[in-house]
Parts: sequence; structure tokens; C-alpha cells
Amino acid sequence: DTGVSQNPRHKITKRGQNVTFRCDPISEHNRLYWYRQTLGQGPEFLTYFQNEAQLEKSRLLSDRFSAERPKGSFSTLEIQRTEQGDSAMYLCASSSDPLNEQFFGPGTRLTVL
Amino acid sequence: KQEVTQIPAALSVPEGENLVLNCSFTDSAIYNLQWFRQDPGKGLTSLLLIQSSQREQTSGRLNASLDKSSGRSTLYIAASQPGDSATYLCAVRRSGAGSYQLTFGKGTKLSVIP
Repeated sequence: DTGVSQNPRHKITKRGQNVTFRCDPISEHNRLYWYRQTLGQGPEFLTYFQNEAQLEKSRLLSDRFSAERPKGSFSTLEIQRTEQGDSAMYLCASSSDPLNEQFFGPGTRLTVL
Repeated sequence: KQEVTQIPAALSVPEGENLVLNCSFTDSAIYNLQWFRQDPGKGLTSLLLIQSSQREQTSGRLNASLDKSSGRSTLYIAASQPGDSATYLCAVRRSGAGSYQLTFGKGTKLSVIP
């Protein structure tokens, strides 16, 4: 399968714990995006990488959130000191060019108890 | 700030009917518009991408149009099938340097009744 993959698919954690998600983009895509989607809403942009450089960050990405793409391949999104309001679907997407289609992964559903 | 609106929020049609989903956006300075399908609890599947210089794109039973100056796009689905039941999302990419994000609408939930 050459699509975008995300792990884990589901994560349940207690408030205050740290969590980390991984995204593997389509292999030839050097652009990678993270979005967050809550129930009944469209996805909201979090951050964008071109290769290993993080070029755009949303104001939604508070100081508890950090994203990395160390070698320009896979990316990780870490949330520290999780809050119940962080419960959402976290989606990753990739593209070969910023003007081309973005292809999305299956998402990681986070539940904070 | 770009805002994307999709009307209706939900739509129920009998199988075989042709239908139109609507998307409007407030800022016409866009690079492109993308339509997605999302099944419950799943990620997004890209359906069609329309560049700002294009008026429409077609893929199988789907046809998407774009009127950039009026800030509108439509997704036409011909001969609907129960398997088309899903939420349909439109998203726009704002033009201008330094902005790479897509801005999404809340989606239209489509139910096709056998």
C-alpha cells in the first residue's frame, strides 16, 4: 500500500499524560501536513513541513503541541499534558507539491479521559 | 480570514437521483479547491481538485465546477448509489506566499436510500 499511514489508529489516555502520533507520507511526497478534526466539523490545519523544515504553524498549535520531521520522511506529533479538549481525530496528509492534491491518512483518534 | 460554507448540512435522496452539493468561500484569492469524501470514523478520500484557472473537473459520475469570482463551487453526483453515502467536504487553498493550508467547510452528510 503506497498511501499515507498513521499510527496508532486509536489512543486513549488520561488527562495530563503525553502522547505521540506518527505519520508516514506517500514515499515520493516531500510536503506533509497535520490537521485536527472534531465531531461535526471540518479538519483544521495545524502545521506544514516541506522536507524537514516546518514552514507554517497554526495558532491552534499551542506550546503543548510539537511536531517534527527529522529526516524529511515520517513525522511525529506530540501533545504534552493532554487535556479533554484535545480529544479529536488527528489527520496527516501529504502532497508532491503545495498546489497539488493533498492525500490524507486514516487518522489517529485521541480520547482524553 | 477565509471561511468555507457548505449547504445543505445533510441531504437524503433516493437511489438513482442526480444531486448537487454546494460550497461557498469568502475570499476569492485561491490557488485551488478540493472535494473530499469522508466515511464515518475514517480519513478523507480526495475526489477532485480544481485549479483556480479551471472551470470544472470530471471523474466518473462526479463533476465539480468552480466560479472563483463569485466564491462558489458545486459537486454534481449523477445516478446516486447507496455506496455514495458519506460526508462530502470541500476545501480551498488560499493564494499567496507562505500559506499552504487547506481551509475546510463542515461538510454535507449525504444519505442515498435504496
